[in-house]
Amino acid sequence: GAVVSQHPSWVICKSGTSVKIECRSLDFQATTMFWYRQFPKQSLMLMATSNEGSKATYEQGVEKDKFLINHASLTLSTLTVTSAHPEDSSFYICSARDTSVHTYNEQFFGPGTRLTVL
Amino acid sequence: KQEVTQIPAALSVPEGENLVLNCSFTDSAIYNLQWFRQDPGKGLTSLLLIQSSQREQTSGRLNASLDKSSGRSTLYIAASQPGDSATYLCAVRQETSGSRLTFGEGTQLTVNP
Repeated sequence: GAVVSQHPSWVICKSGTSVKIECRSLDFQATTMFWYRQFPKQSLMLMATSNEGSKATYEQGVEKDKFLINHASLTLSTLTVTSAHPEDSSFYICSARDTSVHTYNEQFFGPGTRLTVL
Repeated sequence: KQEVTQIPAALSVPEGENLVLNCSFTDSAIYNLQWFRQDPGKGLTSLLLIQSSQREQTSGRLNASLDKSSGRSTLYIAASQPGDSATYLCAVRQETSGSRLTFGEGTQLTVNP
């Protein structure tokens, strides 16, 4: 149980294009999902908190117009990197919060998406 | 602002050795602490989650302890195996931050056959 998937697992795009990454909770409902970014040899940095049916909450320094988040259902959140540039190349990981009582609102993580912008 | 530090940054041990990974955090008002494993280019696998009211959790060869008042946690790995080679991350969830996690920078473990 508590499986989170991400698609695609990797993507290469040209500078200036937009890329959409999907995060799905496969066997539970997630009212809240989180998007993290991880640069090589560094830890995960929270980018934004995605709430189903409402606007995402972005961390300080993260451009909301560049990283568009949509959480239209209880099992799907999408992150769109608009007008991507080489400095956006990173490993993007999502997590979903299982709100059932027995899991202490634990977050479950997806396998990540490697974005390379040429 | 919560800060999480992990020591050492990297560790290399021979197979079979017992080892301890350390995690410290600056704000003791945590809701829980979680240890994760990350293989290269992969997502996170949750290993152990310790609630703030708990002192330790065990799973197989892994034992995690928590001293909330001193802001410390340790992950003990017994009889290490080459398959344990990975980066180990600890993360804390604050009492007042909803579900957001603050991660340490990880310890990269290599277990040599």
